[in-house]
Amino acid sequence: DSGVTQTPKHLITATGQRVTLRCSPRSGDLSVYWYQQSLDQGLQFLIQYYNGEERAKGNILERFSAQQFPDLHSELNLSSLELGDSALYFCASSVGGSKTDTQYFGPGTRLTVL
Amino acid sequence: EDQVTQSPEALRLQEGESSSLNCSYTVSGLRGLFWYRQDPGKGPEFLFTLYSAGEEKEKERLKATLTKKESFLHITAPKPEDSATYLCAVQGLTQGGSEKLVFGKGTKLTVNP
Repeated sequence: DSGVTQTPKHLITATGQRVTLRCSPRSGDLSVYWYQQSLDQGLQFLIQYYNGEERAKGNILERFSAQQFPDLHSELNLSSLELGDSALYFCASSVGGSKTDTQYFGPGTRLTVL
Repeated sequence: EDQVTQSPEALRLQEGESSSLNCSYTVSGLRGLFWYRQDPGKGPEFLFTLYSAGEEKEKERLKATLTKKESFLHITAPKPEDSATYLCAVQGLTQGGSEKLVFGKGTKLTVNP
């Protein structure tokens, strides 16, 4: 158990809908990262927050957004869903602030768009 | 742009048959190279961090090594429970203020009893 929690574990929805994925980092970690994993792409970085502020963006679509709250939990919002958005979404956390920090991953949310 | 290439894509071993997985990387200013293990449908589990060429780390049957261009994950006398996908990732200086990881696509290891 990494100490990172994610809810829900599974999510099945229809095209055009909007969903919210939630992540709670390990106690004491300030950085939260979101990654998407699909069969053909591997793990792709989406976005990073550090202590409530956006720190970096990766390959995140405009239909997707995220935020980190004062209690440091984070939410990833996915809207106008398409079939191609079906994937595993992972949250990771680290102490934050250093490029040598280890990132610990949560169990993931499996999103299926029908 | 930072890149990570892992080989082979898949590896099938008999129990007790030692082997190595390769991770080749291109990064401007390596800050850290990370190995993770991932079981199907689960989150990556941290194994090792290597920071500089020549560094080695060991954990049970696994040993990770690092050169200036690649890292190896050596598996000694593997057991069926070592079956998983092994992921390699790097952090580099070119990412600005971000600590994002750039991942390879992984090596799927199957150990047969």
